[in-house]
Amino acid sequence: GAVVSQHPSWVICKSGTSVKIECRSLDFQATTMFWYRQFPKQSLMLMATSNEGSKATYEQGVEKDKFLINHASLTLSTLTVTSAHPEDSSFYICSAREGLAGELAKNIQYFGAGTRLSVL
Amino acid sequence: AQSVTQPDIHITVSEGASLELRCNYSYGATPYLFWYVQSPGQGLQLLLKYFSGDTLVQGIKGFEAEFKRSQSSFNLRKPSVHWSDAAEYFCAANNAGNMLTFGGGTRLMVKP
Repeated sequence: GAVVSQHPSWVICKSGTSVKIECRSLDFQATTMFWYRQFPKQSLMLMATSNEGSKATYEQGVEKDKFLINHASLTLSTLTVTSAHPEDSSFYICSAREGLAGELAKNIQYFGAGTRLSVL
Repeated sequence: AQSVTQPDIHITVSEGASLELRCNYSYGATPYLFWYVQSPGQGLQLLLKYFSGDTLVQGIKGFEAEFKRSQSSFNLRKPSVHWSDAAEYFCAANNAGNMLTFGGGTRLMVKP
């Protein structure tokens, strides 16, 4: 199956610093990538959807200036948590999809292993 | 509003016993349906999917799921559970490639 690599797997940072998380599709071109946040023992919350070369579409309540998403190539998307604070501590997961909305045969999201962010 | 519901938050089964995890959806039209598994501290792995056709779909690791339109359900089953199946299981749905809607998850524990 398709492989999505997410890095780093765990990061600890001081309050006020910025953290960048990378999401790469290793064996396919990801037209669309998604970023999720997961709180302990809860389901995934979609933060934003990004299509290669376009601005990300953020879900309601997600601060776009706080969570900067860049999808500059068909294999790489990055999420930057700017001026991180303890309340940003969470598990962040990316996923990638080969096709666009409507392409049924490529309508599968493949997930990275997640990044645990701890802000001190 | 579109939603996916997993009625069981926790399920405990004995190793070797059969398993069924429930999933119900509420969508305007029949959505595309997925089951994912998440081990602790890990991302999600796709177990199986249903787009159309045969309502009984086979997945990896010996799992299968049955789509029942009349019940708006897509329950996941396994005939004989192994200790390594202990994990969190998520049912998800979408329409034509749009965003996935996840259920709340079911945590499976396996007794020796």
